[in-house]
Amino acid sequence: ELKVEQNPLFLSMQEGKNYTIYCNYSTTSDRLYWYRQDPGKSLESLFVLLSNGAVKQEGRLMASLDTKARLSTLHITAAVHDLSATYFCAVETWGNQFYFGTGTSLTVIP
Amino acid sequence: GAVVSQHPSRVICKSGTSVKIECRSLDFQATTMFWYRQFPKQSLMLMATSNEGSKATYEQGVEKDKFLINHASLTLSTLTVTSAHPEDSSFYICSASGGQGFGQPQHFGDGTRLSIL
Repeated sequence: ELKVEQNPLFLSMQEGKNYTIYCNYSTTSDRLYWYRQDPGKSLESLFVLLSNGAVKQEGRLMASLDTKARLSTLHITAAVHDLSATYFCAVETWGNQFYFGTGTSLTVIP
Repeated sequence: GAVVSQHPSRVICKSGTSVKIECRSLDFQATTMFWYRQFPKQSLMLMATSNEGSKATYEQGVEKDKFLINHASLTLSTLTVTSAHPEDSSFYICSASGGQGFGQPQHFGDGTRLSIL
């Protein structure tokens, strides 16, 4: 059974601080996706990581992928309140199926 | 960019009712569509994969007779929750892929919030 686990599940942090969310998965895959979900909404695509060592950055968020360790990270730099949301990683398997992580609920406190 | 439209966005109905949710790809042909279910405060769980013109593939634990999926065209897939009960209340999200096999991006609909009374 494929497992995709995120750590932490809940994160409360002050504005201006840095933190990293971790995504571990149990299958072989070269493709990993990060999404953001606001309450009551669907998914917003953040990053697509296509190979080992891939690093993508957008604003205060940076994502990386280590396929050998089966680990992806989402790093938050100098957090702001607008980043408060739930973040999901998703692993793509052969057959184009996505399996989502457990989610990390982020609250940024002023 | 690729747009996936899901309808309706919200449904409230009585127990025992069957509910149909539509997922349309508006500006591309979707060879494959996926249906997910998300309970409050939980992650998205893949329910089934449907390919145009063939039967859907259901994930383990998902009742195919309860969650009927039809992918009759390259732009439309429907999920019908038959004889819905309160435990079926959830947020249902579809996604569509423009191709088959590894590496095709998925585009997500806005979701349907289903509440069974």
